[in-house]
Amino acid sequence: AQSVTQLDSHVSVSEGTPVLLRCNYSSSYSPSLFWYVQHPNKGLQLLLKYTSAATLVKGINGFEAEFKKSETSFHLTKPSAHMSDAAEYFCVWGNDMRFGAGTRLTVKP
Amino acid sequence: DARVTQTPRHKVTEMGQEVTMRCQPILGHNTVFWYRQTMMQGLELLAYFRNRAPLDDSGMPKDRFSAEMPDATLATLKIQPSEPRDSAVYFCASGLTVTGDTGELFFGEGSRLTVL
Repeated sequence: AQSVTQLDSHVSVSEGTPVLLRCNYSSSYSPSLFWYVQHPNKGLQLLLKYTSAATLVKGINGFEAEFKKSETSFHLTKPSAHMSDAAEYFCVWGNDMRFGAGTRLTVKP
Repeated sequence: DARVTQTPRHKVTEMGQEVTMRCQPILGHNTVFWYRQTMMQGLELLAYFRNRAPLDDSGMPKDRFSAEMPDATLATLKIQPSEPRDSAVYFCASGLTVTGDTGELFFGEGSRLTVL
C-alpha cells in the first residue's frame, strides 16, 4: 500500500541551527506529497506541496523539501530554527491525504 | 475570509449517547475529509467525500460511525452509541480536487469530544 513514514517521532534542535525532518514514501509511482504543521492546540496548516513540477519545493516560514525519487524521500529542512517553529509536523501522502505519524519539533533557546 | 467551520467545538457526553459533529466546508470546495486525532494514534483518516459521494470510509468503525454529506455545504459525522475510546479531536478539512489531484486542504479548528 502506498504511504508515508516519518522516521523520527521527536527532533530537538537549538535555535539558529538547521532543522531536518525525515519522511520516506512507498509507491511505485511519483506521488503528490505534502508537509503540514500543527502548532499546540491549533489546527493544521499547509507548509508546502510537491506535485512533480520541481523536485525542490519552497514553503512558508523558510521551510523547503526536496523530492528524491532514488531515495523515496521527501525530507523537510530549514536552515535556521526559530523558537516559533516548535510544533508537530506531518508528512502527507497526497493521493488520499493520509497523514504520517508526525514529528514533534522542539527548539531549545 | 473563507474557512472551514466545525461545530460543536467542545462536547462532553456520556457513554451510549449519540454524538453528531458538523462541518461546513469552504464554498466551492468539492472534497471533504474527516480525521480523528489522539495521542496514541495520531491523525487517522476516517472518511472522505468528493462531490458529496463517499470515496473511502475504511478508517471508520462501521458499527457505530457514519458520515454523510446531505448537501454541498454540510458534512456530518455521527457516533451512535458513543464510547470512551471515541474521545478525541475530530477535524474536518475541505479542498478542491481537479483531475484527481487534491490541492491544499483547509482544516477546521476541530471538535474536541470527551465521552465519559
